[in-house]
Amino acid sequence: DVKVTQSSRYLVKRTGEKVFLECVQDMDHENMFWYRQDPGLGLRLIYFSYDVKMKEKGDIPEGYSVSREKKERFSLILESASTNQTSMYLCASALDRGYNGYTFGSGTRLTVV
Amino acid sequence: GQQLNQSPQSMFIQEGEDVSMNCTSSSIFNTWLWYKQDPGEGPVLLIALYKAGELTSNGRLTAQFGITRKDSFLNISASIPSDVGIYFCAGSLGNTGKLIFGQGTTLQVKP
Repeated sequence: DVKVTQSSRYLVKRTGEKVFLECVQDMDHENMFWYRQDPGLGLRLIYFSYDVKMKEKGDIPEGYSVSREKKERFSLILESASTNQTSMYLCASALDRGYNGYTFGSGTRLTVV
Repeated sequence: GQQLNQSPQSMFIQEGEDVSMNCTSSSIFNTWLWYKQDPGEGPVLLIALYKAGELTSNGRLTAQFGITRKDSFLNISASIPSDVGIYFCAGSLGNTGKLIFGQGTTLQVKP
């Protein structure tokens, strides 16, 4: 089974801090995604990547950036954390372009105080 | 960005009851997917649908890809306590690789 591992389950950061959320997948998937999940809003796409060093903006990229230096690792960066970025962050990977769905990590619950 | 309209938003049912939830969109999708998220975990794929009119079952779960390609529903028969969680629909926009998710249906089952 594909495994998608997010480095932290819970994080508490201060406003203005630079925050790194790490995601690693072990099945050589080309496609990786970052979503945030908020009650009543479902999952909203932040950034995605189809290949190493490649990135594309999703629906809500403001305040975020990403890095994909290696195929298995996709990092989400909050340049200057704000309280409205308190959320559950979900990483996902896919072998194909979504036809067979994504495999998600367990999520990182980030609280910005 | 685009979103799917998923309903109901939440359900509180008795064990043994059947459950039905659906998703609608103003856009046509090539693939419909249904996920379940257990508390504290990431979503897990339950069912994938690839053709308009397709009806697919996975145990007590049945899902259908609407004829118009703009909707899908998920039924759970004879619910049990472990069905508790958040159910998401998702649509795939062709070969873009992006999935669009519904807002989720939170299911609670009373033993």
